[in-house]
Amino acid sequence: KAGVTQTPRYLIKTRGQQVTLSCSPISGHRSVSWYQQTPGQGLQFLFEYFSETQRNKGNFPGRFSGRQFSNSRSEMNVSTLELGDSALYLCASSQGQGEGEKLFFGSGTQLSVL
Amino acid sequence: DAKTTQPTSMDCAEGRAANLPCNHSTISGNEYVYWYRQIHSQGPQYIIHGLKNNETNEMASLIITEDRKSSTLILPHATLRDTAVYYCIVYLSGGTSYGKLTFGQGTILTVHP
Repeated sequence: KAGVTQTPRYLIKTRGQQVTLSCSPISGHRSVSWYQQTPGQGLQFLFEYFSETQRNKGNFPGRFSGRQFSNSRSEMNVSTLELGDSALYLCASSQGQGEGEKLFFGSGTQLSVL
Repeated sequence: DAKTTQPTSMDCAEGRAANLPCNHSTISGNEYVYWYRQIHSQGPQYIIHGLKNNETNEMASLIITEDRKSSTLILPHATLRDTAVYYCIVYLSGGTSYGKLTFGQGTILTVHP
């Protein structure tokens, strides 16, 4: 099976712009989670989607949003970019049901805000 | 906040076993112990997980104490490619926790030639 695919791998934006990142989960996985990783804060949970519905959300401002499509692919959007949004954005997929699940991560999108 | 405590860094000689400890004294009865590792600028890689019993797969072994308050990840024959940050995570997939892994600072494992 192909792994979790994130596009693009690198992105450069300027303050005030918005950005959309894409994540294709492993085939058969219905849950997609998003994380932000920065040197100062480490890996932080953004939100999780299952069957096109957001089930869980982390402590991030409303500028961070996401959605999931019927084929389980997911996108996350950041509006009105700030310098502090520069980070590695990671998505992970899983089946989304049951205990003892394994989450599989993509390679991430490195976002730089200038 | 992370529910686990790990040493900040560890060293290991190539070819020797690497034993990475983790304390999780507040783990609840149905939470699993997971180990992931992350090589610089890549996504975390799943290694192994367990509930109560010791587990082994092609990558590593996981030893969980009987009281479940601590665990050890064992890489039996460390190679230079095992140099990474190793995260110990307690997690129960369900309810309001689906997909929500809580990462701490992890242990930086450096494997030396």
